[in-house]
Amino acid sequence: GQSLEQPSEVTAVEGAIVQINCTYQTSGFYGLSWYQQHDGGAPTFLSYNALDGLEETGRFSSFLSRSDSYGYLLLQELQMKDSASYFCAVRDQSTGDDKIIFGKGTRLHILP
Amino acid sequence: DGGITQSPKYLFRKEGQNVTLSCEQNLNHDAMYWYRQDPGQGLRLIYYSQIVNDFQKGDIAEGYSVSREKKESFPLTVTSAQKNPTAFYLCASSNRLYNEQFFGPGTRLTVL
Repeated sequence: GQSLEQPSEVTAVEGAIVQINCTYQTSGFYGLSWYQQHDGGAPTFLSYNALDGLEETGRFSSFLSRSDSYGYLLLQELQMKDSASYFCAVRDQSTGDDKIIFGKGTRLHILP
Repeated sequence: DGGITQSPKYLFRKEGQNVTLSCEQNLNHDAMYWYRQDPGQGLRLIYYSQIVNDFQKGDIAEGYSVSREKKESFPLTVTSAQKNPTAFYLCASSNRLYNEQFFGPGTRLTVL
């Protein structure tokens, strides 16, 4: 089967850096995505890693290590508007169909 | 502007009634998905469709049904067989590479 683990909550200070980890277990891994969701809203795409290494997009970076089945989302220069839930998701083909499985999400609290 | 629309935003139904949630996209995406989200939880896949006239069950398909008669539309019916239908329902679409899913604004269903 498939499973993803990420911390349920993380707290950081405005202006600081925070890392949200995600470990996964799947037999048909194809890529790791990150999504942001504000309260009451819909998830929005942040990044996608298919290969090992770091992908940078502005203040957000995402890292993947396929050998460790591990990835993380790095948020720099935190702003209050970054308070949201962050979901990792794997692209999985273990059943023969191509689909995306989401983790339970990490709630990021930012203190002024 | 391209995007995904879901209607209605809020929906109230009496227990025992079937209800159909609408999802329309004009992004020309082949794949469409339905997720359920409960408070403080991640997204759980209900059904997904990779092409017109074809769809597959996700992790929690029991009590739900879908159709994909047109590329643009993927309606979800919540039947009376669903034991606990009150939740936030999200529709999404993606291109065949599944690098990024685009989400609709969601429908919040409350069954009284």
